[in-house]
Amino acid sequence: GQNIDQPTEMTATEGAIVQINCTYQTSGFNGLFWYQQHAGEAPTFLSYNVLDGLEEKGRFSSFLSRSKGYSYLLLKELQMKDSASYLCAVRDERADKLIFGTGTRLQVFP
Amino acid sequence: GAVVSQHPSWVICKSGTSVKIECRSLDFQATTMFWYRQFPKQSLMLMATSNEGSKATYEQGVEKDKFLINHASLTLSTLTVTSAHPEDSSFYICSARGGRGASQETQYFGPGTRLLVL
Repeated sequence: GQNIDQPTEMTATEGAIVQINCTYQTSGFNGLFWYQQHAGEAPTFLSYNVLDGLEEKGRFSSFLSRSKGYSYLLLKELQMKDSASYLCAVRDERADKLIFGTGTRLQVFP
Repeated sequence: GAVVSQHPSWVICKSGTSVKIECRSLDFQATTMFWYRQFPKQSLMLMATSNEGSKATYEQGVEKDKFLINHASLTLSTLTVTSAHPEDSSFYICSARGGRGASQETQYFGPGTRLLVL
């Protein structure tokens, strides 16, 4: 079956670091994506991992371990505008589609 | 680069009418387009996948006669909600995957269309 798990909600303070975890069990794997979605808006692409390891892009980093079916998104120097939902999605190679987790709603407080 | 547009952004219609939503990839050719629906505080639910020039593949539970998808060119896909009812009210989002001019792995999302059926 297909299953992607991420925490429902997280809170953090401005300037801090937060790590959002994602575990997955899918029938096929061809990459893991992280998207950011502000309320009422469409998702915007943040990162893509297909090989194990850490991908860094400015304040955001994403890590993947394929053997553990695990990824995390790391957000540094949090800003108020980072308050949003963060969606973990796995590309199922066989079905050729993205399978989304339920998303993690992050609230950043001053 | 890799911009996807959707039109309209808002639709309010009476029950029983049909609504057409357009999705365009503006600066790349999208070999595959996806249509999603999202209810408040829920994640994206894939409705169908369409490849240019071929019939769409619908997810289980999605009525293909109710949600008509046309992907006539590499830059345009349309979703028509036929005989819309209040339960069809939702946020409809398309995404596109390249193609020439964009990453072949990444899906880029349009801004979404909010549909309210009275």
